[in-house]
Amino acid sequence: QITLKESGPTLVKPTQTLTLTCTFSGFSLSTSGVGVGWIRQPPGKALEWLALIYWDDDKRYSPSLKTRLTITKDTSKNQVVLTMTNMDPVDTATYYCAHSSYFDSGDFDPWGQGTLVTVSS
Amino acid sequence: DIQMTQSPSAMSASVGDRVTITCRASQGISDYVAWFQQKPGKVPKRLIYGSSSLQSGVPSRFSGSGSGTEFTLTISSLQPEDFATYYCLQHNSFAFGQGTRLEIK
Repeated sequence: QITLKESGPTLVKPTQTLTLTCTFSGFSLSTSGVGVGWIRQPPGKALEWLALIYWDDDKRYSPSLKTRLTITKDTSKNQVVLTMTNMDPVDTATYYCAHSSYFDSGDFDPWGQGTLVTVSS
Repeated sequence: DIQMTQSPSAMSASVGDRVTITCRASQGISDYVAWFQQKPGKVPKRLIYGSSSLQSGVPSRFSGSGSGTEFTLTISSLQPEDFATYYCLQHNSFAFGQGTRLEIK
């Protein structure tokens, strides 16, 4: 059974850097075709894809946010870390991580429960 | 980057109705489309992958179709538990549609 869980601060100040960790079980990021992605959702708004890292360390970023995002993996710890710089109140959202696999269909399933991050001074 | 334009943004329908939601990609993306259902306060749930494959455990009243630039999610006979928000995702270069809020008429 694949599970993922997001962790990190619930409150960050404007201009600070957000660091979120996705800890997963039931798969390995050293397995060919596997990836972990990040998606966010501001309160009452639509889903927005942020970033994705694959087993071979291939990294993809949202074009609109790529200058602010960094995604890394620690295969030994079964973790993926997303950092987002220069946080702003508009970045207030629930942040989700999700599993991806070429051998499934390449989209996102399953997802973690999400973590709400509020940006406020 | 490939954009997904989802329509309608909101709709109201009655139990038993047939409903269709559409996503149009700004470029051809083969069948790299998934559909998700999200209820308030809940994690998005995958319904359809590979444009037309039904996720295990999802009722057969849900179906997906399309290839290239136009994709549809159809609910053949709406049930009370289907009132939710639906999103398409293109996973060629990754982008979600803007969502369709499906409300009870």
